[in-house]
Amino acid sequence: KAGVTQTPRYLIKTRGQQVTLSCSPISGHRSVSWYQQTPGQGLQFLFEYFSETQRNKGNFPGRFSGRQFSNSRSEMNVSTLELGDSALYLCASSLVAGAPNTEAFFGQGTRLTVV
Amino acid sequence: AQSVTQLDSQVPVFEEAPVELRCNYSSSVSVYLFWYVQYPNQGLQLLLKYLSGSTLVKGINGFEAEFNKSQTSFHLRKPSVHISDTAEYFCAVMGGGSNYKLTFGKGTLLTVNP
Repeated sequence: KAGVTQTPRYLIKTRGQQVTLSCSPISGHRSVSWYQQTPGQGLQFLFEYFSETQRNKGNFPGRFSGRQFSNSRSEMNVSTLELGDSALYLCASSLVAGAPNTEAFFGQGTRLTVV
Repeated sequence: AQSVTQLDSQVPVFEEAPVELRCNYSSSVSVYLFWYVQYPNQGLQLLLKYLSGSTLVKGINGFEAEFNKSQTSFHLRKPSVHISDTAEYFCAVMGGGSNYKLTFGKGTLLTVNP
């Protein structure tokens, strides 16, 4: 079956712009989580959605937002981009939320570069 | 709050040598522990996980890890590595209660040399 699909794979934006990243989970999966990966901070949790509701949120400013659609696809948006937002953004999907025995499958990520 | 410390940022080894990647965690509640691997330009892939039961957990690609509650550790081991094991390895913890989000360590870059 198809894995987690993130689009686009690469993106270059200018400071001050906004960006929207997309994640299509594995068919049947209803939970989607987002992570930011940088060399300095490592992998940091952004937020998790389940059945179109945000269940968990990490410690990121309000410029970072997300949503989930009825087909479980998710988008995250970053407004007023800063140079420090340059990172690999990873999406993970799982069957349900809040179940450690359910494996999270990761996409290949979107590499965002802010110039 | 929960946190993960991966004690080595880089581990170079020769092919066919054994390797241990160290991970310590802290949490105020019961935890679930995971090891993920990330190959260049790829997402993360689950290697193994500890939820409960036997403290020795076997995963894919010949890796295993041992949960040690008294030392709050979850070290990853492989008796004989291959060039193809070169990748970044992440230890992660998931807390119980109402917070099931994964908290990752900073990662360990394993480089296997011929």
